[in-house]
Amino acid sequence: GAGVSQSPSNKVTEKGKDVELRCDPISGHTALYWYRQRLGQGLEFLIYFQGNSAPDKSGLPSDRFSAERTGESVSTLTIQRTQQEDSAVYLCASRSQAGTTEAFFGQGTRLTVV
Amino acid sequence: EDQVTQSPEALRLQEGESSSLNCSYTVSGLRGLFWYRQDPGKGPEFLFTLYSAGEEKEKERLKATLTKKESFLHITAPKPEDSATYLCAVETSGSRLTFGEGTQLTVNP
Repeated sequence: GAGVSQSPSNKVTEKGKDVELRCDPISGHTALYWYRQRLGQGLEFLIYFQGNSAPDKSGLPSDRFSAERTGESVSTLTIQRTQQEDSAVYLCASRSQAGTTEAFFGQGTRLTVV
Repeated sequence: EDQVTQSPEALRLQEGESSSLNCSYTVSGLRGLFWYRQDPGKGPEFLFTLYSAGEEKEKERLKATLTKKESFLHITAPKPEDSATYLCAVETSGSRLTFGEGTQLTVNP
Protein backbone atom coordinates (compact mmCIF):
# COMPACT_ATOMS: atom_id res chain seq x y z
CA GLY A 1 0.00 0.00 0.00
CA ALA A 2 0.92 3.66 -0.20
CA GLY A 3 1.33 4.11 3.52
CA VAL A 4 0.75 2.58 6.93
CA SER A 5 -2.94 1.93 7.44
CA GLN A 6 -4.61 1.59 10.83
CA SER A 7 -8.14 0.55 11.66
CA PRO A 8 -10.46 1.50 13.11
CA SER A 9 -9.63 5.21 13.17
CA ASN A 10 -11.84 5.66 16.23
CA LYS A 11 -13.08 3.16 18.79
CA VAL A 12 -15.33 3.74 21.77
CA THR A 13 -15.65 0.79 24.12
CA GLU A 14 -17.08 0.08 27.51
CA LYS A 15 -14.80 -0.51 30.47
CA GLY A 16 -14.02 -4.20 30.82
CA LYS A 17 -14.46 -5.07 27.15
CA ASP A 18 -11.67 -6.35 24.90
CA VAL A 19 -10.54 -4.39 21.84
CA GLU A 20 -8.42 -5.28 18.83
CA LEU A 21 -6.53 -2.67 16.82
CA ARG A 22 -5.13 -3.39 13.39
CA CYS A 23 -2.06 -2.14 11.53
CA ASP A 24 -1.24 -2.75 7.86
CA PRO A 25 2.42 -1.77 7.31
CA ILE A 26 3.98 -0.61 4.08
CA SER A 27 4.60 -3.63 1.87
CA GLY A 28 8.10 -5.04 2.30
CA HIS A 29 8.77 -3.31 5.62
CA THR A 30 10.30 -5.79 8.04
CA ALA A 31 10.14 -3.68 11.20
CA LEU A 32 6.90 -2.67 12.92
CA TYR A 33 6.33 -0.62 16.09
CA TRP A 34 3.34 0.13 18.30
CA TYR A 35 3.20 3.30 20.40
CA ARG A 36 0.67 4.84 22.75
CA GLN A 37 0.13 8.61 22.87
CA ARG A 38 -1.95 10.09 25.65
CA LEU A 39 -3.46 13.53 25.15
CA GLY A 40 -0.78 16.21 24.99
CA GLN A 41 2.04 13.76 25.61
CA GLY A 42 4.83 12.11 23.67
CA LEU A 43 4.95 8.62 22.20
CA GLU A 44 5.24 5.74 24.65
CA PHE A 45 6.88 2.61 23.21
CA LEU A 46 4.81 -0.57 23.48
CA ILE A 47 6.26 -3.31 21.26
CA TYR A 48 8.61 -3.82 18.30
CA PHE A 49 8.64 -6.59 15.68
CA GLN A 50 11.61 -7.24 13.38
CA GLY A 51 11.15 -9.94 10.76
CA ASN A 52 10.99 -13.39 12.31
CA SER A 53 12.92 -12.41 15.44
CA ALA A 54 11.33 -12.53 18.87
CA PRO A 55 9.50 -9.22 19.43
CA ASP A 56 10.66 -6.64 21.97
CA LYS A 57 7.67 -6.58 24.34
CA SER A 58 9.38 -4.59 27.06
CA GLY A 59 7.09 -1.56 26.68
CA LEU A 60 3.77 -3.34 27.20
CA PRO A 61 2.30 -1.76 30.37
CA SER A 62 0.50 -4.84 31.69
CA ASP A 63 -0.46 -8.41 30.79
CA ARG A 64 -3.77 -7.06 29.46
CA PHE A 65 -1.83 -5.85 26.42
CA SER A 66 -0.62 -8.21 23.71
CA ALA A 67 0.33 -7.95 20.05
CA GLU A 68 0.85 -10.32 17.18
CA ARG A 69 2.34 -10.09 13.72
CA THR A 70 2.23 -12.72 11.04
CA GLY A 71 5.48 -12.68 9.10
CA GLU A 72 6.03 -9.22 7.65
CA SER A 73 2.37 -8.36 7.26
CA VAL A 74 -0.53 -7.23 9.40
CA SER A 75 -0.19 -6.68 13.13
CA THR A 76 -2.92 -6.59 15.76
CA LEU A 77 -2.72 -5.02 19.20
CA THR A 78 -5.19 -6.48 21.68
CA ILE A 79 -6.20 -4.86 24.95
CA GLN A 80 -8.17 -7.08 27.29
CA ARG A 81 -10.53 -5.88 30.03
CA THR A 82 -10.05 -2.24 29.01
CA GLN A 83 -9.69 0.43 31.67
CA GLN A 84 -10.28 4.18 31.41
CA GLU A 85 -6.52 4.83 31.59
CA ASP A 86 -6.17 2.90 28.33
CA SER A 87 -7.85 5.81 26.52
CA ALA A 88 -5.26 7.20 24.10
CA VAL A 89 -4.21 7.24 20.47
CA TYR A 90 -2.44 4.06 19.43
CA LEU A 91 0.09 4.59 16.66
CA CYS A 92 1.72 2.03 14.42
CA ALA A 93 4.90 2.59 12.41
CA SER A 94 6.87 0.50 9.94
CA ARG A 95 10.42 0.65 8.56
CA SER A 96 12.04 -1.09 5.64
CA GLN A 97 14.92 -2.13 7.87
CA ALA A 98 15.64 -1.09 11.43
CA GLY A 99 18.80 0.90 11.95
CA THR A 100 19.11 2.42 8.52
CA THR A 101 15.85 4.11 7.59
CA GLU A 102 13.11 6.27 8.95
CA ALA A 103 9.87 4.92 10.38
CA PHE A 104 6.58 5.79 8.71
CA PHE A 105 3.54 6.24 10.91
CA GLY A 106 -0.12 5.54 10.40
CA GLN A 107 -2.84 7.98 11.40
CA GLY A 108 -3.49 6.14 14.62
CA THR A 109 -6.52 4.64 16.35
CA ARG A 110 -8.18 6.88 18.92
CA LEU A 111 -9.44 4.62 21.73
CA THR A 112 -11.93 5.93 24.23
CA VAL A 113 -12.93 3.74 27.18
CA VAL A 114 -16.17 4.83 28.84
CA GLU B 1 17.84 3.63 30.36
CA ASP B 2 17.65 5.81 27.25
CA GLN B 3 16.29 9.29 27.92
CA VAL B 4 15.21 12.04 25.54
CA THR B 5 14.30 15.52 26.79
CA GLN B 6 12.87 18.22 24.57
CA SER B 7 12.71 21.92 25.36
CA PRO B 8 10.84 24.13 25.48
CA GLU B 9 7.53 22.30 25.93
CA ALA B 10 5.77 25.06 24.01
CA LEU B 11 6.98 27.97 21.90
CA ARG B 12 5.10 30.89 20.41
CA LEU B 13 6.72 32.86 17.60
CA GLN B 14 5.68 35.67 15.35
CA GLU B 15 5.86 34.98 11.65
CA GLY B 16 9.45 35.57 10.53
CA GLU B 17 10.89 35.23 14.06
CA SER B 18 13.63 32.58 13.91
CA SER B 19 14.29 30.23 16.83
CA SER B 20 15.58 26.79 17.83
CA LEU B 21 14.13 23.70 19.49
CA ASN B 22 16.33 21.49 21.64
CA CYS B 23 16.51 17.71 22.02
CA SER B 24 18.99 16.42 24.60
CA TYR B 25 19.60 12.70 25.00
CA THR B 26 21.29 10.18 27.24
CA VAL B 27 21.73 6.85 25.49
CA SER B 28 24.22 4.03 25.22
CA GLY B 29 25.24 3.66 21.61
CA LEU B 30 23.33 6.10 19.43
CA ARG B 31 22.45 4.64 16.02
CA GLY B 32 20.44 7.61 14.82
CA LEU B 33 18.43 10.64 15.87
CA PHE B 34 15.15 11.43 14.14
CA TRP B 35 13.00 14.55 13.93
CA TYR B 36 9.28 14.30 13.21
CA ARG B 37 6.48 16.81 12.81
CA GLN B 38 3.01 15.97 14.14
CA ASP B 39 -0.14 17.88 13.26
CA PRO B 40 -3.26 17.57 15.47
CA GLY B 41 -5.12 14.32 14.89
CA LYS B 42 -2.44 12.88 12.64
CA GLY B 43 0.49 10.52 12.90
CA PRO B 44 4.06 11.87 13.04
CA GLU B 45 5.62 12.83 9.72
CA PHE B 46 9.32 12.21 9.16
CA LEU B 47 11.61 15.23 8.75
CA PHE B 48 15.29 14.28 9.27
CA THR B 49 17.69 11.56 10.34
CA LEU B 50 21.10 12.44 11.84
CA TYR B 51 23.69 9.76 12.50
CA SER B 52 26.86 11.38 13.82
CA ALA B 53 28.03 14.46 15.69
CA GLY B 54 28.61 17.41 13.40
CA GLU B 55 26.05 16.28 10.86
CA GLU B 56 23.51 18.81 9.57
CA LYS B 57 20.40 18.41 7.40
CA GLU B 58 18.22 21.11 5.84
CA LYS B 59 14.73 21.22 4.38
CA GLU B 60 13.07 24.48 3.44
CA ARG B 61 13.02 26.63 6.63
CA LEU B 62 14.22 23.81 8.88
CA LYS B 63 17.77 22.81 9.74
CA ALA B 64 18.71 20.00 12.11
CA THR B 65 22.10 19.68 13.79
CA LEU B 66 23.62 17.04 16.06
CA THR B 67 26.25 17.00 18.79
CA LYS B 68 27.25 14.15 21.10
CA LYS B 69 24.63 15.15 23.65
CA GLU B 70 21.92 17.09 21.84
CA SER B 71 20.25 18.05 18.63
CA PHE B 72 18.78 21.36 17.56
CA LEU B 73 16.01 22.04 15.10
CA HIS B 74 16.51 25.57 13.80
CA ILE B 75 13.51 27.29 12.23
CA THR B 76 14.34 30.25 10.04
CA ALA B 77 11.68 32.88 9.26
CA PRO B 78 8.80 30.55 10.24
CA LYS B 79 5.34 30.76 8.71
CA PRO B 80 1.99 29.93 10.33
CA GLU B 81 1.94 26.61 8.46
CA ASP B 82 5.02 25.55 10.45
CA SER B 83 2.79 25.37 13.54
CA ALA B 84 2.86 21.77 14.81
CA THR B 85 4.37 19.58 17.50
CA TYR B 86 7.98 18.63 16.75
CA LEU B 87 9.13 15.29 18.09
CA CYS B 88 12.66 14.00 18.53
CA ALA B 89 13.49 10.28 18.75
CA VAL B 90 16.69 8.27 19.27
CA GLU B 91 17.51 4.77 18.14
CA THR B 92 19.98 2.62 20.01
CA SER B 93 21.39 -0.85 19.52
CA GLY B 94 18.10 -2.64 20.20
CA SER B 95 16.43 -0.69 17.37
CA ARG B 96 13.81 0.70 19.74
CA LEU B 97 12.86 4.30 18.92
CA THR B 98 12.59 6.38 22.10
CA PHE B 99 10.69 9.64 21.74
CA GLY B 100 10.78 12.89 23.68
CA GLU B 101 7.62 14.65 24.84
CA GLY B 102 7.73 17.10 21.94
CA THR B 103 7.74 20.87 21.50
CA GLN B 104 4.45 22.47 20.52
CA LEU B 105 5.24 25.31 18.14
CA THR B 106 2.75 28.06 17.32
CA VAL B 107 3.59 30.67 14.68
CA ASN B 108 1.31 33.68 14.68
CA PRO B 109 0.72 35.68 11.49
